[in-house]
Amino acid sequence: DVKVTQSSRYLVKRTGEKVFLECVQDMDHENMFWYRQDPGLGLRLIYFSYDVKMKEKGDIPEGYSVSREKKERFSLILESASTNQTSMYLCASSLRTDYNEQFFGPGTRLTVL
Amino acid sequence: GQNIDQPTEMTATEGAIVQINCTYQTSGFNGLFWYQQHAGEAPTFLSYNVLDGLEEKGRFSSFLSRSKGYSYLLLKELQMKDSASYLCAVEDSNYQLIWGAGTKLIIKP
Repeated sequence: DVKVTQSSRYLVKRTGEKVFLECVQDMDHENMFWYRQDPGLGLRLIYFSYDVKMKEKGDIPEGYSVSREKKERFSLILESASTNQTSMYLCASSLRTDYNEQFFGPGTRLTVL
Repeated sequence: GQNIDQPTEMTATEGAIVQINCTYQTSGFNGLFWYQQHAGEAPTFLSYNVLDGLEEKGRFSSFLSRSKGYSYLLLKELQMKDSASYLCAVEDSNYQLIWGAGTKLIIKP
């Protein structure tokens, strides 16, 4: 079974703090994704990566950055957390690009005070 | 722009059948996914359609009409554990998934 893990289920941070969300997958998937999920909105893509050291902006990259130094690990960084970044953050991975079935981690519910 | 529409919420009775619709307008089409998401949990894959027609998988079936930009997920013999949100996602011409906001399905005894 594909397993995608995220470093924290719940996180509380203060405005202005730097926040790191870690994601690890154990199935040698090429592709990794970071989404945020808010009530009434679909999953919104923040960043994605198709290879080590590679990153592409998604639909809402402002205020975020990412790092992929190893194939299995994809980190999301909030440089200076703000209250409007309070959300559920979901990491996903997929094996192929042309059939993009994504496997999700359990999510991190981030609250910024 | 790209758009995926699903009903926000639906209610059904245990043992019954429910159909959740999804209409889409996207830049290209490379397939349509349905995911199930229980409250507080990660989405999990249910089905994939790339050709027109019905795909059946146990109690769940998914239908696609590419010419109409339309899909539905059919759930039969509803069980209480089917209470969840159901997410429709279209893979566009860039192989990115465009997600609907999800349909919250409430099952009543």
